[in-house]
Amino acid sequence: AQSVTQPDIHITVSEGASLELRCNYSYGATPYLFWYVQSPGQGLQLLLKYFSGDTLVQGIKGFEAEFKRSQSSFNLRKPSVHWSDAAEYFCAVTTNTNAGKSTFGDGTTLTVKP
Amino acid sequence: DVKVTQSSRYLVKRTGEKVFLECVQDMDHENMFWYRQDPGLGLRLIYFSYDVKMKEKGDIPEGYSVSREKKERFSLILESASTNQTSMYLCASSLYGTENTEAFFGQGTRLTVV
Repeated sequence: AQSVTQPDIHITVSEGASLELRCNYSYGATPYLFWYVQSPGQGLQLLLKYFSGDTLVQGIKGFEAEFKRSQSSFNLRKPSVHWSDAAEYFCAVTTNTNAGKSTFGDGTTLTVKP
Repeated sequence: DVKVTQSSRYLVKRTGEKVFLECVQDMDHENMFWYRQDPGLGLRLIYFSYDVKMKEKGDIPEGYSVSREKKERFSLILESASTNQTSMYLCASSLYGTENTEAFFGQGTRLTVV
């Protein structure tokens, strides 16, 4: 069965600092990978996705993620964090069979210090 | 622009009540999902549906049922609400296919069972 691990439950960074959120997946075939963001009291919004091709993908709000098959990782990065980036971030994986049924990580909560 | 609408943002129900959570999407998506979100546990899939009148159990279906009589509407039913069903419930929809499998989420329903 596929699984997703986000090792960091909570991360705190200073505004303007760089950010990396880790995501590791377990799946035998080629995964389709996603990062979502959830602001307090809201639903999830897609930040970016990887299906194939270039392993470095760009998303909204200045985020990017890199797919590394050898490490089974899909880490999310941002060069300079803004206070508005404070939220919870979820990594998710799905398959090419029953498309759309994703498995989510437990989430990483990002706090941004002024 | 895809829109997934959940009928209530907040609900308070009594133990033993039958509770209906409604979700409507306006983009003709085949797939619809109900997730439950609890702190530290990420998103857990309750039920999903890939077509009208079709449903499949997710990871935690106990105590829940669903109904999909029309393509755009997916209802989650708590037959007899219990306090351990107090949670945030998220509805999502997606296209069925290999390339467009990202999920679009509603804003969530925070249910409290007293």
